[in-house]
Amino acid sequence: DVKVTQSSRYLVKRTGEKVFLECVQDMDHENMFWYRQDPGLGLRLIYFSYDVKMKEKGDIPEGYSVSREKKERFSLILESASTNQTSMYLCATKAGGVGNTGELFFGEGSRLTVL
Amino acid sequence: AQSVTQLGSHVSVSEGALVLLRCNYSSSVPPYLFWYVQYPNQGLQLLLKYTTGATLVKGINGFEAEFKKSETSFHLTKPSAHMSDAAEYFCAVSNFGNEKLTFGTGTRLTIIP
Repeated sequence: DVKVTQSSRYLVKRTGEKVFLECVQDMDHENMFWYRQDPGLGLRLIYFSYDVKMKEKGDIPEGYSVSREKKERFSLILESASTNQTSMYLCATKAGGVGNTGELFFGEGSRLTVL
Repeated sequence: AQSVTQLGSHVSVSEGALVLLRCNYSSSVPPYLFWYVQYPNQGLQLLLKYTTGATLVKGINGFEAEFKKSETSFHLTKPSAHMSDAAEYFCAVSNFGNEKLTFGTGTRLTIIP
């Protein structure tokens, strides 16, 4: 089974702090994604990466950056956290290549509160 | 561009009753369609998916969904609700060659004892 591990389940940070959210997968998937989930808004894509050192903006990249130095690890960075970034953050992976049917595998989420 | 509309942000059904969660999509090319379930304080888990072939797909926990191209719908059903089905359900769409999934806003299912 695919395992996607998000290092922190719950975090509380102060406005202006730098925040790192880490995601590690063990299935050698090419594609990795960061979503944020808010009530009534569903899941919105922040960034995704289809290869090491490659990244693409999603629908709401403002205020975030990402890093993918190794295939198994995808980090989401909030350079200066703000209260409107209080949310649930979900990491997901997907196999690449011909024939993949687009299924995402999710971590358990990181709930971030910014005070 | 692709989009997903889930009708009803909250649905309540009695235990043993039919569950019907609605999903309509928009896609310029043949879609891949998914239903995910999320239990409290957990990530999303795949219930079922449609890619090609048979339009009625069966998933885990007794759920199924039917792809209706003419109606651009992919509604999720279960004949008899169980208390353990209480969760949030998300419909999603992607298509071949597009790495991104687009999600609906979710439907919270409550089961009444």
